[in-house]
Amino acid sequence: GAGVSQSPSNKVTEKGKDVELRCDPISGHTALYWYRQRLGQGLEFLIYFQGNSAPDKSGLPSDRFSAERTGESVSTLTIQRTQQEDSAVYLCASTLGVGYNEQFFGPGTRLTVL
Amino acid sequence: KQEVTQIPAALSVPEGENLVLNCSFTDSAIYNLQWFRQDPGKGLTSLLLIQSSQREQTSGRLNASLDKSSGRSTLYIAASQPGDSATYLCAVRSLNDYKLSFGAGTTVTVRA
Repeated sequence: GAGVSQSPSNKVTEKGKDVELRCDPISGHTALYWYRQRLGQGLEFLIYFQGNSAPDKSGLPSDRFSAERTGESVSTLTIQRTQQEDSAVYLCASTLGVGYNEQFFGPGTRLTVL
Repeated sequence: KQEVTQIPAALSVPEGENLVLNCSFTDSAIYNLQWFRQDPGKGLTSLLLIQSSQREQTSGRLNASLDKSSGRSTLYIAASQPGDSATYLCAVRSLNDYKLSFGAGTTVTVRA
């Protein structure tokens, strides 16, 4: 079956604009994760979903960041009033369930804020 | 907070040489450890997953060891090839947690 997909693959926006990033997990995977990778840095955890609820939002860097998931499938990460420091690759991963180990990653969305 | 460190940050070797990539973590209370490969502009590809109860995992030319008590894992790549050139990431899942904590990666260049 298909792997994790993300769209758009690249997004260039102006400072102050809102952006939405989309993740389609592997079919049947109930757990979904968002991570951020800034240039030259390691991956940072942002948020985790189990089904449609988000028990761990601890990694969201500010209240400009929000995420939702519907139908235990697609997730959208929204960044409001983007800042230049938001420029990064945003990666999504999914697992079969919370007790399952291996996280499968999508190709990422490269966000550039001018 | 789990801290993951990878050494070296970059490595360049001639084709055919064996690769040794190191990963260390600060909290030994882990659920598992995962090694990934990342090619430029691409997502992460899972290479090996080691459970906390295991000492090593092997897949083809890849072998990963885990010493949980000392907080270390090593990824060995035998007989390196130019196609092995990529960034290799180590990630740890701590007990009572679901997210992965990542190291900054080791960028490998295999020269033909």
